Amino acid sequence: EVQLVESGGGLVQPGGSLRLSCGASGLTFGSYWMTWVRQAPGKGLEWVANVNQDGSEKKYVDSVKGRFTISRDNAKNSLYLQMNSLRAEDTAVYYCARHYPYSSGWGKYYYYMDVWGKGTTITVSS
Amino acid sequence: DIQMTQSPSSLSASVGDRVTITCRASQTIASHLHWYQQKPGKAPNLLIYTASNLHRGVPSRFSGSGSETDFTLTITSLQPEDFATYYCQQSYSTPQTFGQGTKVEIK
Repeated sequence: EVQLVESGGGLVQPGGSLRLSCGASGLTFGSYWMTWVRQAPGKGLEWVANVNQDGSEKKYVDSVKGRFTISRDNAKNSLYLQMNSLRAEDTAVYYCARHYPYSSGWGKYYYYMDVWGKGTTITVSS
Repeated sequence: DIQMTQSPSSLSASVGDRVTITCRASQTIASHLHWYQQKPGKAPNLLIYTASNLHRGVPSRFSGSGSETDFTLTITSLQPEDFATYYCQQSYSTPQTFGQGTKVEIK
C-alpha cells in the first residue's frame, strides 16, 4: 500500500522557519514527481510546490517563491519543504501528494495527484 | 494563471438524488481536469482524472465529462458517504489551480 506521512508541523512566530518532511512507503519514490498542497483554515486547496524525480526541476506558486524550498532525498524516500520568512497567511494544513503521470499523446507528460498524506498543521502566530 | 470556477459553491440534496457540479476554466485546458473529494478533517481523495476516467476503487455512481473549458462531475444516486466537499483541479499549466470547492450537504 502506498503511504505518505507528513511531519514537522507546529506553531511558529511570523518571520520564523520550519521544515516539513514527508516519508513515503510502498512506492518507487524516485520514479515520481512529488508535490505539496496546502489548505488554510476553512478554505480551499492551494498547490504550493512540486519537484521532479531527481530534484533538478522545482516549481512554486508565486506567493512562496523565494521563501520556500522543496527538496527530496530519494535514498531516504523523503520529500521536504523548507519554509522561511513565514507569514500569518502561511497558516494551513500542508499535504504532500504523489504526482501520477499520464501522457497527452504528444510525448509530453502531465500529472494528477493520486495519493495524499494526512497532512501536518502549520500555525504562524505570535 | 488559469482560474477554475465551480458552481454551485454549495448544495443541499437527499440520499438518492442526482447531483451535478460544474467547473469552468478561464482558458482551454483540453482534458487536464481532475476531481477530488474531501471530507472534514481528512485529506482529499482522487475521484476522476483527465475529465472522465474513474480512479480505481471509486464507485461507478461518480462520473465526469467535458473538455476545453467546461467540465461536469455527476453523482447519479447520492449516498450518505458522498456528503463532502468536491474540488476540480487543472494540471494543464503551472501553477496548478483548484476550484474553490462545492460542499454537498444533506437536505
